[in-house]
Amino acid sequence: ETGVTQTPRHLVMGMTNKKSLKCEQHLGHNAMYWYKQSAKKPLELMFVYNFKEQTENNSVPSRFSPECPNSSHLFLHLHTLQPEDSALYLCASSQDAGTYLTYEQYFGPGTRLTVT
Amino acid sequence: AQSVTQLGSHVSVSEGALVLLRCNYSSSVPPYLFWYVQYPNQGLQLLLKYTTGATLVKGINGFEAEFKKSETSFHLTKPSAHMSDAAEYFCAVISNRDDKIIFGKGTRLHILP
Repeated sequence: ETGVTQTPRHLVMGMTNKKSLKCEQHLGHNAMYWYKQSAKKPLELMFVYNFKEQTENNSVPSRFSPECPNSSHLFLHLHTLQPEDSALYLCASSQDAGTYLTYEQYFGPGTRLTVT
Repeated sequence: AQSVTQLGSHVSVSEGALVLLRCNYSSSVPPYLFWYVQYPNQGLQLLLKYTTGATLVKGINGFEAEFKKSETSFHLTKPSAHMSDAAEYFCAVISNRDDKIIFGKGTRLHILP
């Protein structure tokens, strides 16, 4: 595997379910990101982890819970979601999150989430 | 607060024609500007970025963009469109005040044979 991988690629879940999204990067990077991409809305940065520490949480509801056990893996735990949470969830990584200006972010293909 | 506006959610051009995707930003301080491309069923890929220096920036796949401070614009161009350019393109801005990245809503580029 190369680059940034995400599993599953598609997920359908009910509002009472609990599920997790997984992201893995094979680039030796130290920073990882979760983005939400909704139809007709700008891409929204949700969380940033740098060297396994969360450095940014952009007012994301608590029904989304990130976990970064090491610099190569990032999870997004989901529970009690709402239909409006249906979106494409993108993971990205970069060498460092100290500044976006220097380090390019590499994106995974995303998980298409549908909440019923 | 800074923002990014991409004019036209859909743009269609004929194969071989000029591609022009528009991006305007608002920022109270000099911005850093990016264009990303997203092919179907894939994540975003960086096309090019402007940080400092030369205002005409060349990127991958023959794309380029010019930073025009007086017009607060960073339009993306390619002289001759190819069928493989069909994708969604996102403009993004970072303010060096707070390092927050803001994306535009995207423009889907259609290439007509």
